[in-house]
Amino acid sequence: GQNIDQPTEMTATEGAIVQINCTYQTSGFNGLFWYQQHAGEAPTFLSYNVLDGLEEKGRFSSFLSRSKGYSYLLLKELQMKDSASYLCAVTDSNYQLIWGAGTKLIIKP
Amino acid sequence: TAGITQAPTSQILAAGRSMTLRCTQDMRHNAMYWYRQDLGLGLRLIHYSNTAGTTGKGEVPDGYSVSRANTDDFPLTLASAVPSQTSVYFCASHVDSSNTGELFFGEGSRLTVL
Repeated sequence: GQNIDQPTEMTATEGAIVQINCTYQTSGFNGLFWYQQHAGEAPTFLSYNVLDGLEEKGRFSSFLSRSKGYSYLLLKELQMKDSASYLCAVTDSNYQLIWGAGTKLIIKP
Repeated sequence: TAGITQAPTSQILAAGRSMTLRCTQDMRHNAMYWYRQDLGLGLRLIHYSNTAGTTGKGEVPDGYSVSRANTDDFPLTLASAVPSQTSVYFCASHVDSSNTGELFFGEGSRLTVL
């Protein structure tokens, strides 16, 4: 079956750095997404990786290794507003999106 | 820019009643999706439409139906609601069915079935 694994919950300190990991086993691969979802709100797009390597966008970076079925989202200079759930999703060989359950990130002052 | 609009925002429904969740987008996207989101689970696809006039079943289609009469609208109907359909429902759209770019979401509809 197809599966995406990410930690259920993580805690970090304001101003610090946190890395949220995502591993996937899917039938084929056509890209990996990270979305941010604040409580009670809709998911919003953060990044899309289709090639191996690191993509940097401001305080957020996303890394992909297709051979390892692995990605991480790196958040730097954490702010209280970064408290949210982070969703990892993969587009498989049939161009269907497979979603992880999300990682709830708690930022403490 | 409106993007995707869902209605209602929230609803309490008696079991056995029918309900239609509305979704409208103004981006002329071809592909549209209905997801449900439950605590501890990822987004689960209910139904999808790759283009106007076509629909398909997702991972959890039972108890739900959809129609896609035009590009903009993609309503989701619960014919006879059951408590297990209590969830947050998100409508989403993509420029096409490739899912290789950003998926745009509506604000969600919180449905409680008693």
